[in-house]
Amino acid sequence: DAMVIQNPRYQVTQFGKPVTLSCSQTLNHNVMYWYQQKSSQAPKLLFHYYDKDFNNEADTPDNFQSRRPNTSFCFLDIRSPGLGDAAMYLCATSRLGQGIYSNQPQHFGDGTRLSIL
Amino acid sequence: AQSVTQPDIHITVSEGASLELRCNYSYGATPYLFWYVQSPGQGLQLLLKYFSGDTLVQGIKGFEAEFKRSQSSFNLRKPSVHWSDAAEYFCAVARYSSASKIIFGSGTRLSIRP
Repeated sequence: DAMVIQNPRYQVTQFGKPVTLSCSQTLNHNVMYWYQQKSSQAPKLLFHYYDKDFNNEADTPDNFQSRRPNTSFCFLDIRSPGLGDAAMYLCATSRLGQGIYSNQPQHFGDGTRLSIL
Repeated sequence: AQSVTQPDIHITVSEGASLELRCNYSYGATPYLFWYVQSPGQGLQLLLKYFSGDTLVQGIKGFEAEFKRSQSSFNLRKPSVHWSDAAEYFCAVARYSSASKIIFGSGTRLSIRP
């Protein structure tokens, strides 16, 4: 089945130690999103890629970066994780464009739960 | 600015009872509206979406939602809930298309009483 896969499901890192979360998709969607979700809260959009174009949300801290080396993969890099960055990180994809198969709603992965020691 | 309000933080219903989760949105034009469900420790799964046509939308798992422009509402309903429906439910709105950036409501946690 076509899907969005996030690895790992659980990640533990030390305070200040860089960490990378990964997301891959087999949907051939041209847009990939990264969300941060803290306990009992709605997902908060950090940034998204529309093809190779990176779009950062205004309130996303500089500590968060992203890379999209190709259509299928997208990475979230946290340069110096703080205790406040402990959260679930969700990757989502969608297809924006023209044609009957475009404009598909966002399809989410199962997330990576990040803990900071 | 767009916004989504889910006035109920937590709802408990008995198994087999009917369910209605409320959602109100604020947007000048006809929005793209969604309901997502999130089970504990999982990602979000799309239940249903609306952007035009019939205002009563059928989704997966026996859920439906009705778009009421006059009330700016998009309430989610299910005639008979199952224990497996216990989860967090998010209403969301998108501005430009079904695939563009979406804004989530704060969510409603649904508990099922045996």
